[in-house]
Amino acid sequence: DMKVTQMPRYLIKRMGENVLLECGQDMSHETMYWYRQDPGLGLQLIYISYDVDSNSEGDIPKGYRVSRKKREHFSLILDSAKTNQTSVYFCASSLGVEQYFGPGTRLTVL
Amino acid sequence: GQQVQQSPASLVLQEGENAELQCNFSSTATRLQWFYQRPGGSLVSLLSNPSGTKHTGRLTSTTVTKERRGSLHISSSQITDSGTYLCAMEPNYGNEKITFGAGTKLTIKP
Repeated sequence: DMKVTQMPRYLIKRMGENVLLECGQDMSHETMYWYRQDPGLGLQLIYISYDVDSNSEGDIPKGYRVSRKKREHFSLILDSAKTNQTSVYFCASSLGVEQYFGPGTRLTVL
Repeated sequence: GQQVQQSPASLVLQEGENAELQCNFSSTATRLQWFYQRPGGSLVSLLSNPSGTKHTGRLTSTTVTKERRGSLHISSSQITDSGTYLCAMEPNYGNEKITFGAGTKLTIKP
């Protein structure tokens, strides 16, 4: 069963703290993505990774960085989180056209 | 940058009625994808359509790339069809990324 997992599912942090969101996939997909979803804005692409250590900025990379040291894992890091980074974060992977999404992480930055 | 506009923003129908969701995009696209999202849930790919018409079950996706528009038709709607439908555009060139619309929230009433 093809699957994208995300950890944690819910996270509350204080402004200025560091945040690590983890994503895993068991399909050996080369391409992985991090999105955030805010009401009325749809999904916005933060970063895309084409394979290990091959990452590219998306539309809103500011305030985020990523790490991909293994094909099956893609991490999103917020150094010194800000309140406007409160959002739902989705990870996805793809092989060709279809994207497979994880269940999302709801991050609240106080 | 690329923009994807979805209409209507919300739609309320009686069970059994047909739903028509629209998607317009600002630049030429190779493909239009439709996703379904249950409230608080992840995204599931429904249809991916480069051009013309594609069917799966009660869903019909129509993409007219020259006119930069697409639609998703849901026939004989069911209560379980309720949720948010997102349209995503894959651009026709270079390193541009997939862009999502804000979604149409569909509510099917008994």
